[in-house]
Amino acid sequence: SQQGEEDPQALSIQEGENATMNCSYKTSINNLQWYRQNSGRGLVHLILIRSNEREKHSGRLRVTLDTSKKSSSLLITASRAADTASYFCATEPTSGTYKYIFGTGTRLKVLA
Amino acid sequence: DADVTQTPRNRITKTGKRIMLECSQTKGHDRMYWYRQDPGLGLRLIYYSFDVKDINKGEISDGYSVSRQAQAKFSLSLESAIPNQTALYFCATSDFGTSGNEQFFGPGTRLTVL
Repeated sequence: SQQGEEDPQALSIQEGENATMNCSYKTSINNLQWYRQNSGRGLVHLILIRSNEREKHSGRLRVTLDTSKKSSSLLITASRAADTASYFCATEPTSGTYKYIFGTGTRLKVLA
Repeated sequence: DADVTQTPRNRITKTGKRIMLECSQTKGHDRMYWYRQDPGLGLRLIYYSFDVKDINKGEISDGYSVSRQAQAKFSLSLESAIPNQTALYFCATSDFGTSGNEQFFGPGTRLTVL
C-alpha cells in the first residue's frame, strides 16, 4: 500500500502563479523528500525535510512538514512552464531500514 | 556521462520469456534499488541492496529476482514475464552517509510484455 498520497492528483496553473501540492502519509517518519519527474524520465531529488524540521526553502521551493497531521506541502512560487512535471513525496518510515515509500504524485501543468 | 545508467531503455517481449534489466552507477554508492512505476500508482519498491552481500525484498518482489554483481551493478530479472509486468522500471542509488539518503535515479526502462 502507498505510504504517501499527493493531493491534488493534477493541477493546472498559469505561468507566474504559485503551485501548492500536498502529501499525506500514514506512519511516523524520519524524513520526507520531494522529487520531480519529467514525462517518462527518472526522478530528480528536490528537497529533504527531517522530522524535526517544520519548514525548508530551496530557491523557489518551500516545503513544510506537520508531523502531528502527517502531512507535507510543496509550494513552487512564480511558476514557469519548465516546472511542468509530476511531483512525488517519498517518506522514510521510522520502522523502515533506509528505504523510501513514494506517493502517487501530482501532475503539474504550467501554462505559458 | 550519466551517473546511473540502465539498459535496455526500451524492451518488448513475450509472455514467458526471461528478461534481465541492468543498472550501473558511477557514483560510488553502496545502496541500490529497483522500482516499478505504473500509471496512477507512483513508484513501488521491488528489491533493494545495501551492499554486495545484502539483498532485500521490497513491496512487490514476487515474479522478480536480482543480482548485485558488484558495488556498481545491480540487475533485475523477470524469470517468466507476464503482461501485468508491463511498466516503467527505475534503478536508483543512494549513499546515506553523505546526503541523508537522497536517491539518484536512472533514466528508466520501459518494458512491454505481450
